[in-house]
Amino acid sequence: NAGVTQTPKFRVLKTGQSMTLLCAQDMNHEYMYWYRQDPGMGLRLIHYSVGEGTTAKGEVPDGYNVSRLKKQNFLLGLESAAPSQTSVYFCASSFPSYEQYFGPGTRLTVT
Amino acid sequence: EDQVTQSPEALRLQEGESSSLNCSYTVSGLRGLFWYRQDPGKGPEFLFTLYSAGEEKEKERLKATLTKKESFLHITAPKPEDSATYLCAVQAGGNFNKFYFGSGTKLNVKP
Repeated sequence: NAGVTQTPKFRVLKTGQSMTLLCAQDMNHEYMYWYRQDPGMGLRLIHYSVGEGTTAKGEVPDGYNVSRLKKQNFLLGLESAAPSQTSVYFCASSFPSYEQYFGPGTRLTVT
Repeated sequence: EDQVTQSPEALRLQEGESSSLNCSYTVSGLRGLFWYRQDPGKGPEFLFTLYSAGEEKEKERLKATLTKKESFLHITAPKPEDSATYLCAVQAGGNFNKFYFGSGTKLNVKP
């Protein structure tokens, strides 16, 4: 039982490049979330999904897109990376209204 | 506006020196309050969920309490392995799909 896994662990992008972060969970959770964590600002919700095929915007969605084609996977895309998107990205999953389980994070640097 | 504030930002304790961390919140109808532990370079790890004022939860040296405006995480006789950042998150009743995180308290316990 791997829990929540994230790919890749580290990535360096140049401004304007695109990339996709992959999150996978094996706990059969309905809900999945993408957060970013910046120093002194805590975790901020980017997008979330309440089920396969559905997504919704969180607190800071601009510059990101997501897809949930399969229940166990939640993808986060950056179409044109900017230095302001340098951050640590965490994926989480949960059953509705219950605690979230987090992945190990992806450290992204945009130069 | 839903908001979560944690204090202090950092706390240094001697081994065995008990103390408390604070999480104050303003949300429109609290659905749940969550405490997480985060070790450097890792994702947050779930500790407790509190749902109503007066509720308490305990786990080893940690005890979480909840009032109508704040939550406390009491650490009794801490050990160096308790050193971590402790995060508080609230789930608002207006949109229970969203969680709002505080910026955390970084705890350092010296032997």
